[in-house]
Amino acid sequence: AQSVTQLGSHVSVSEGALVLLRCNYSSSVPPYLFWYVQYPNQGLQLLLKYTSAATLVKGINGFEAEFKKSETSFHLTKPSAHMSDAAEYFCAVSEAAGNKLTFGGGTRVLVKP
Amino acid sequence: EAGVTQFPSHSVIEKGQTVTLRCDPISGHDNLYWYRRVMGKEIKFLLHFVKESKQDESGMPNNRFLAERTGGTYSTLKVQPAELEDSGVYFCASRGVRASTDTQYFGPGTRLTVL
Repeated sequence: AQSVTQLGSHVSVSEGALVLLRCNYSSSVPPYLFWYVQYPNQGLQLLLKYTSAATLVKGINGFEAEFKKSETSFHLTKPSAHMSDAAEYFCAVSEAAGNKLTFGGGTRVLVKP
Repeated sequence: EAGVTQFPSHSVIEKGQTVTLRCDPISGHDNLYWYRRVMGKEIKFLLHFVKESKQDESGMPNNRFLAERTGGTYSTLKVQPAELEDSGVYFCASRGVRASTDTQYFGPGTRLTVL
């Protein structure tokens, strides 16, 4: 069975500081990994995905994530936080293209001026 | 291109009543998924349609939940009778038909409150 663990349900960062959101997964097969973001009063929007190509994945809004098989991790980073990054972020895994997603518990990011 | 839409955006009902949630996928998307997030916990998979057929319904919690997708277009999720623990946000997602298409596009969700 798959599982996803996101360390920290809430993260507070200062504007301009590094954003680092941690995600560890377990999967019995090579995983498909996703980061979604939910802005207030909106649905989930895909930030980026890993599907067995390059291990460093670049997404929208300056975010990127690195797949590390040895650490079973897929941490999300952004070098410089912006106020508009305040949202909830979800890491998810699936065992194949189009299969159901298994989500982590989500990390809510607060950006301080 | 219109995204995934869900109706209603909010629903407040009494325990024991019936509620029907609707999802309209992106036009041409054969794959449709339902998920829900209960009380700030993780988002959990409910079921997956391919066209009008249920591909995977392993996440449906019990027989009070009935999902349909007649004609392979929009889908409905009925909860009958609703219980307090059914409160949460119900998300719908859709995906294109090609096997190589792996991205699920989510709707804004329906927030269900059972009193």
